Amino acid sequence: DQQVKQNSPSLSVQEGRISILNCDYTNSMFDYFLWYKKYPAEGPTFLISISSIKDKNEDGRFTVFLNKSAKHLSLHIVPSQPGDSAVYFCAATRSNFNKFYFGSGTKLNVKP
Amino acid sequence: DAGVIQSPRHEVTEMGQEVTLRCKPISGHDYLFWYRQTMMRGLELLIYFNNNVPIDDSGMPEDRFSAKMPNASFSTLKIQPSEPRDSAVYFCASSLPRTEQFFGPGTRLTVL
Repeated sequence: DQQVKQNSPSLSVQEGRISILNCDYTNSMFDYFLWYKKYPAEGPTFLISISSIKDKNEDGRFTVFLNKSAKHLSLHIVPSQPGDSAVYFCAATRSNFNKFYFGSGTKLNVKP
Repeated sequence: DAGVIQSPRHEVTEMGQEVTLRCKPISGHDYLFWYRQTMMRGLELLIYFNNNVPIDDSGMPEDRFSAKMPNASFSTLKIQPSEPRDSAVYFCASSLPRTEQFFGPGTRLTVL
């Protein structure tokens, strides 16, 4: 049973517009969330994270929002660039931080 | 730092053969993880080690799968005998305690 779900397998966005990637989780014990980005033929790389004590974290063009009551997080990319085209995985963990639960990924395509 | 190193990058084998995947974690990282990526299930954690000791192998699909970490700089994931449904990309990752995981480039396994 998947505890972290990304229900959109793919997303296509025009360059310069906002990309919004969504993620839902079922385990209320999760208190730390991460987003990873993966290019073809490479391993996932860490992008941004958020602790459950916050509801928003920003890093340049990337912002992650957390809605604990809805058990939902989202990644906003503004403005989107063609180089952002990749698969994005969300992950969740408990405070012991050592076992991550990953979603199935969303493939983002940013069109020039 | 060279990052997490995995070998081989690609492996094609026939059903019933033994397959061994190798991983060298980042020096100093005391956690090592093996993941499998499939279209259906995304990134699944198979097993993870702390200080060379297996901590959680609940994700290992069957007895055909085994993993070892004989020392801090080397781990193997073995499948014996391999089956076509084992075809996937296998990732190794390493981390320090309570930090994000760093992934290797993956091994693409094809079992014919």
